[in-house]
Amino acid sequence: SQQGEEDPQALSIQEGENATMNCSYKTSINNLQWYRQNSGRGLVHLILIRSNEREKHSGRLRVTLDTSKKSSSLLITASRAADTASYFCATKFYFGSGTKLNVKP
Amino acid sequence: NAGVTQTPKFRVLKTGQSMTLLCAQDMNHEYMYWYRQDPGMGLRLIHYSVGEGTTAKGEVPDGYNVSRLKKQNFLLGLESAAPSQTSVYFCASKGGDQETQYFGPGTRLLVL
Repeated sequence: SQQGEEDPQALSIQEGENATMNCSYKTSINNLQWYRQNSGRGLVHLILIRSNEREKHSGRLRVTLDTSKKSSSLLITASRAADTASYFCATKFYFGSGTKLNVKP
Repeated sequence: NAGVTQTPKFRVLKTGQSMTLLCAQDMNHEYMYWYRQDPGMGLRLIHYSVGEGTTAKGEVPDGYNVSRLKKQNFLLGLESAAPSQTSVYFCASKGGDQETQYFGPGTRLLVL
């Protein structure tokens, strides 16, 4: 794969806990994006982080980027049952395999 | 705005049959993409277009053709469907000055 891997492949947590997902990529990038996919639906853009940024916040989302390690992480704080979905990182048009998050009420 | 729409939503084909998937966007976006998503995997780019009348191959183009005769439409064709093409197909679009892709709801294709 051009993109690399995400881990974990699946994550199950209780409502209110934090969820962390990691993504690795292989090529140099201008930016990295995170998308969310609810079951049976298309992907929805969550957040973009540029190669010269190390951390970015949007609401309950926090994304970090380490270009030296070619890795990124997505943290969802105070998770809700509605956060249950698959989360994908993407560089240009290469997507990771995703992390399936299940938030139990 | 409807955003990105895809037709059909679901289709069953027999091996060797042909079909065309239609993607339409009403955001005046320059770029359009066709991806396929297989179980447990991320999206893989099939073909893309950077503007009306242009197309280019992506990561997994074999067995597919595309056309972009109008800016708002991007068609994906399967000339002779194979069981390996059973997948969920997503279309996406992006403005020329943007970096975010907007996705359609997907077309689920089953080839028997």
